[in-house]
Amino acid sequence: DIQMTQSPSSVSASVGDRVTITCRASQGVTYWLAWYQQRPGKAPKLLIYDASSLQSGVPSRFSGSGSGTEFTLTISSLQPEDSATYYCQQVNSFPWTFGHGTRVEI
Amino acid sequence: EVQLVESGGGLVQPGRSLRLSCSASGFTFHDYAMHWVRQAPGKGLEWVSHISWNSGSIGYVDSVKGRFTTSRDNAKKSLYLQMNSLTTEDTAFYYCAKGKSGGYGLDVWGQGTSVTVSS
Repeated sequence: DIQMTQSPSSVSASVGDRVTITCRASQGVTYWLAWYQQRPGKAPKLLIYDASSLQSGVPSRFSGSGSGTEFTLTISSLQPEDSATYYCQQVNSFPWTFGHGTRVEI
Repeated sequence: EVQLVESGGGLVQPGRSLRLSCSASGFTFHDYAMHWVRQAPGKGLEWVSHISWNSGSIGYVDSVKGRFTTSRDNAKKSLYLQMNSLTTEDTAFYYCAKGKSGGYGLDVWGQGTSVTVSS
């Protein structure tokens, strides 16, 4: 199975800050990677698919990049509603595996 | 409105069985692969299973292989997860999710249903 490693495990930042989360895959997944946001008590929400494509309805301050084994999720200007846990998921091969999550605190 | 609604969760003793259901509305259910994802209390997300649009391809994470069975009824727009030989390790919130078209990922999620395995 492909292991996904996220860093950092948590980050505290201020409104307006730029936040970057990294996700590394134990083997190459080309660009088959998704990012999700999960607010407390809520279901996850798809933010980015295919490593860099913005899901419909997601604010443009979210962006994804990378390919192969290293990927990043960037929030260009942090907003109060972005307080959540963010997960990467490789969708290259089954079983689709998630990273352990990054908690973003405002 | 595109919606997924899970049901069937509850408290069950170790070794017993439970069947989860997921009812879909607002989209052409039979066109999409469907997935189950779970989240143990206070833990991260774990992908559990997928089923292709026509049930021709079904897969599971190793920890549930041989115990869980995923199925779907396209006429009823419903997804199912039959869980047998449950252990305390299966205690989690279970989400059904829709596979995205035109890319890969899970673009619609249900609100989840809680499964607690305890004596």
